[in-house]
Amino acid sequence: SQKIEQNSEALNIQEGKTATLTCNYTNYSPAYLQWYRQDPGRGPVFLLLIRENEKEKRKERLKVTFDTTLKQSLFHITASQPADSATYLCALEDNYQLIWGAGTKLIIKP
Amino acid sequence: NAGVMQNPRHLVRRRGQEARLRCSPMKGHSHVYWYRQLPEEGLKFMVYLQKENIIDESGMPKERFSAEFPKEGPSILRIQQVVRGDSAAYFCASSSAGQGIYEQYFGPGTRLTVT
Repeated sequence: SQKIEQNSEALNIQEGKTATLTCNYTNYSPAYLQWYRQDPGRGPVFLLLIRENEKEKRKERLKVTFDTTLKQSLFHITASQPADSATYLCALEDNYQLIWGAGTKLIIKP
Repeated sequence: NAGVMQNPRHLVRRRGQEARLRCSPMKGHSHVYWYRQLPEEGLKFMVYLQKENIIDESGMPKERFSAEFPKEGPSILRIQQVVRGDSAAYFCASSSAGQGIYEQYFGPGTRLTVT
């Protein structure tokens, strides 16, 4: 069956360290993968999009990798700050639809 | 440059009433998506519309739920004869082109409570 999985447990990271979130998928062959941030009570906010022929994409302190062999995307936040605390969602393209993971809650402790 | 607008932000309905949720996409966007989210759960796709057309409604319950995006005016998600299980946050998103390839911009959501 088709699945997209993100760590269901909250990830606790010390301020200043690098936070790494994982998105794994099975039985999909996405051409694109996207990452969003969602704060409590708000709609998701787009962060990064990576294409299947791109290994890595960066935006300021954010970095996304996309390994189509491992069927995995990693999302990194370097020099993490308490303001980075939120739920992070990955979404992959499947036949021109977006399929969403359930999200990983990230907590950055000062 | 206004973002995606949704109203109302909070809606309380009694069982059996109708709920009508509105979404105005970002300026220049003609693709609209509706999602539903329960507390502590992920986004569930409901329907994808372009102006005057439903492109994909595979995530929408076949009964009581309907959506439209008229030539003029906002997109409407309508829930008839609401039940307690309809209580959730409903998010609208828009994009400049078809989903998957382009990022989506989300509204603040409508929180529906059915009493």
